[in-house]
Amino acid sequence: GENVEQHPSTLSVQEGDSAVIKCTYSDSASNYFPWYKQELGKRPQLIIDIRSNVGEKKDQRIAVTLNKTAKHFSLHITETQPEDSAVYFCAATMNRDDKIIFGKGTRLHILP
Amino acid sequence: EPEVTQTPSHQVTQMGQEVILRCVPISNHLYFYWYRQILGQKVEFLVSFYNNEISEKSEIFDDQFSVERPDGSNFTLKIRSTKLEDSAMYFCASGGTTSYEQYFGPGTRLTVT
Repeated sequence: GENVEQHPSTLSVQEGDSAVIKCTYSDSASNYFPWYKQELGKRPQLIIDIRSNVGEKKDQRIAVTLNKTAKHFSLHITETQPEDSAVYFCAATMNRDDKIIFGKGTRLHILP
Repeated sequence: EPEVTQTPSHQVTQMGQEVILRCVPISNHLYFYWYRQILGQKVEFLVSFYNNEISEKSEIFDDQFSVERPDGSNFTLKIRSTKLEDSAMYFCASGGTTSYEQYFGPGTRLTVT
């Protein structure tokens, strides 16, 4: 079945610097790639998503890139702030009504 | 903005007992899901539900699990005889027909003792 690998598992970044989280997926039929931010004890919150017909998408300090050929996608956070500290999950799904397959998560620490 | 709601927020139960976790999806959504997250681990798919029947279920969703949409608003997950390893956060999600996004509820923390 579909598998999503995510790296790194933990990432510490100085405040103001950039953070990059990378994911790969196994099923070439996947065509929707959401990214979720989860704070301790809270629900996963969608922060950005990308469809397979797009190579890059940006929303203020957050951007996502997708390489369908290599089955790679990445999250980029620029000018990191303390409130960016959380666990980030990449995910993939095939169809609108399909299950979401999550990566194992990256715990991002923003250092003062 | 409409949100998915879940009750209770925390449920403590003894091993072997039945539990029912409740969810109210967003009102015009047609696709419903249950996911679980064991503490410190990733979110795992359990089951999807559409048109009053299960669309897909994972290996985790064995005979001890069942789902129901008893009326027009609630979506429930029942665990018939809980095990210690069922302790996790259970998230309900719903999705509409106009986007791929699934909206997650706040979760129910299930603790089996």
